[in-house]
Amino acid sequence: EVQLVESGGGLVQPGGSLRLSCAASRFTFSGYWMTWVRQAPGRGLEWVANIKQDGSEKYYVDSVKGRFTISRDNAKNSLYLQMSSLRAEDTAVYYCARVSLDLKLVPPCVAFDYWGQGTLVTVSS
Amino acid sequence: DIQMTQSPSSLSASVGDRVTITCRASQSISSYLNWYQQTPGKAPKLLIYAASGLQSGVPSRFSGSGSGTDFTLTISSLQPEDFATYYCQQTYSTPWTFGQGTKVEIK
Repeated sequence: EVQLVESGGGLVQPGGSLRLSCAASRFTFSGYWMTWVRQAPGRGLEWVANIKQDGSEKYYVDSVKGRFTISRDNAKNSLYLQMSSLRAEDTAVYYCARVSLDLKLVPPCVAFDYWGQGTLVTVSS
Repeated sequence: DIQMTQSPSSLSASVGDRVTITCRASQSISSYLNWYQQTPGKAPKLLIYAASGLQSGVPSRFSGSGSGTDFTLTISSLQPEDFATYYCQQTYSTPWTFGQGTKVEIK
């Protein structure tokens, strides 16, 4: 079955940086859009960013624009999230997920069909 | 941004009950609506895509309906493993937004 494994989380001071990784396996990674979703402690889900198969298109939620960068390395089957200028409100579990497309709708309906287990990022002094 | 509002925020139900959760969008999103289930400490799991499509491997007791602004997730006969938090999500336009969640608890 599809496997996504995040790593790179930890404790970082406000204003600091962190790079998250997501290792993908058991599917053709280069054939899918990928995404990051976060969940603050005890809170709901928030979509963060997504990236096209070849990395040519990237989209971000406004709250992270200019601070976070999503990227991928298809040769390594890996997705990344470079986070800088971190704030306390960025504290969350960060999940990577695969993006599926339901082609019955035009344009296709996007959904997140497989998720990793998440990695916790804590921004605190 | 499109706001997604779920109701109720929580509910108590018994095994075997029929459960209905509602999700309302702040503007029309056609059928670009997904449902996820999350149990404590676990990643979300996709249940329903495009308002009514049953994700592979998801039991048939789960169903989704609606279009435009009003959507429903129904569990026809609640099972012990269904006690969880459920989220709706719109993917009509970015930023893709989620509802605040509905926690289904044991009565």
